[in-house]
Amino acid sequence: DAGVTQSPTHLIKTRGQHVTLRCSPISGHKSVSWYQQVLGQGPQFIFQYYEKEERGRGNFPDRFSARQFPNYSSELNVNALLLGDSALYLCASSFQGAVNTEAFFGQGTRLTVV
Amino acid sequence: GENVEQHPSTLSVQEGDSAVIKCTYSDSASNYFPWYKQELGKGPQLIIDIRSNVGEKKDQRIAVTLNKTAKHFSLHITETQPEDSAVYFCAAIGNYGQNFVFGPGTRLSVLP
Repeated sequence: DAGVTQSPTHLIKTRGQHVTLRCSPISGHKSVSWYQQVLGQGPQFIFQYYEKEERGRGNFPDRFSARQFPNYSSELNVNALLLGDSALYLCASSFQGAVNTEAFFGQGTRLTVV
Repeated sequence: GENVEQHPSTLSVQEGDSAVIKCTYSDSASNYFPWYKQELGKGPQLIIDIRSNVGEKKDQRIAVTLNKTAKHFSLHITETQPEDSAVYFCAAIGNYGQNFVFGPGTRLSVLP
């Protein structure tokens, strides 16, 4: 079975641009969460979606948005990119919406803002 | 909100020795504690987890212990191998309701 897949794997953008990152969860999983991992730190929570509805939002500016589609895949959008947005963006999928269940991460999208 | 601390930040052990990584959490309502292994250029991989109704869990060379009273949990790796070298993250349920709060990570190096 395929694991969590994210695309693209690497991306270079210029300050002020916008970016869309994509995630396909494990087949049968209905919950997708997005995390930002800055080099040398642990992942920081951005969003969680379950059954196409936003279930949680972390302490990130409104430039960050996301959505989940009927097939449970998800997109993370970031507008007006800043240099500080450079990070590894991780998607995690889990079967249920509750957080106290196993969550499996994709390989991430490495975003570099120049 | 939830805060997770993790120690040590780096750990070097000889192949075959044991490694222990410790985490503390602040929210007494936390009830699920996963551990992830992250290799260079890859996403975090779930290696073991424990729930608050259990004090210890083992899976081959890996074990996790939980002390709810003290609000700390630990990862134990026995008979370490070079392929255990990676960054390990602990996590706990967070105060946003639907997310993990991660520790800052421990870089484990297993020396041959």
